[in-house]
Amino acid sequence: KQEVTQIPAALSVPEGENLVLNCSFTDSAIYNLQWFRQDPGKGLTSLLLIQSSQREQTSGRLNASLDKSSGRSTLYIAASQPGDSATYLCAVIRGGGTYKYIFGTGTRLKVLA
Amino acid sequence: DGGITQSPKYLFRKEGQNVTLSCEQNLNHDAMYWYRQDPGQGLRLIYYSQIVNDFQKGDIAEGYSVSREKKESFPLTVTSAQKNPTAFYLCASSSQGVRDSPLHFGNGTRLTVT
Repeated sequence: KQEVTQIPAALSVPEGENLVLNCSFTDSAIYNLQWFRQDPGKGLTSLLLIQSSQREQTSGRLNASLDKSSGRSTLYIAASQPGDSATYLCAVIRGGGTYKYIFGTGTRLKVLA
Repeated sequence: DGGITQSPKYLFRKEGQNVTLSCEQNLNHDAMYWYRQDPGQGLRLIYYSQIVNDFQKGDIAEGYSVSREKKESFPLTVTSAQKNPTAFYLCASSSQGVRDSPLHFGNGTRLTVT
């Protein structure tokens, strides 16, 4: 059974710091992995989608990497800003015909001004 | 602008009553999903639909029902059989190639049952 873990559960950093969020999954047979952002009381916003054949994806100050063999993905946020404060979730989907994403519980990030 | 609209934002019901949560999308996506989010837990899939007039149970379908009569709409009914209905409910959609395209989410409905 696929399990997705995100550690730490919460993180506080000063503005301007570069930071890394971690996502681990137990079954390496994934088709893709997505990183999402969730603001309090809101829905999720997709940040980056990494196909299993890819090693990383970049969007602005965000860079996500994927290492299937070790069951890990990282989300790198450069030059963090207070507006980056949110909960960040990762989710994986298996190969085959499934349409089910398995979500981690998220890392709650607070960037201090 | 294209997006997913969930209504209402907050919903209060008495125990024993059925309640229907609305989800409408104008993204022309074929696939739609309902998730439940509880504190300290990851999102859990309730139902999903890949095409009109067809839907499948997710991991926690007991006590819930859905319909997909139109491409744009995927309402979720929380029945009195759902033992712990108080939660944050999220609707999502994706284009047909769901494994190759991102999930788009609505802003959720927070249901409180007393």
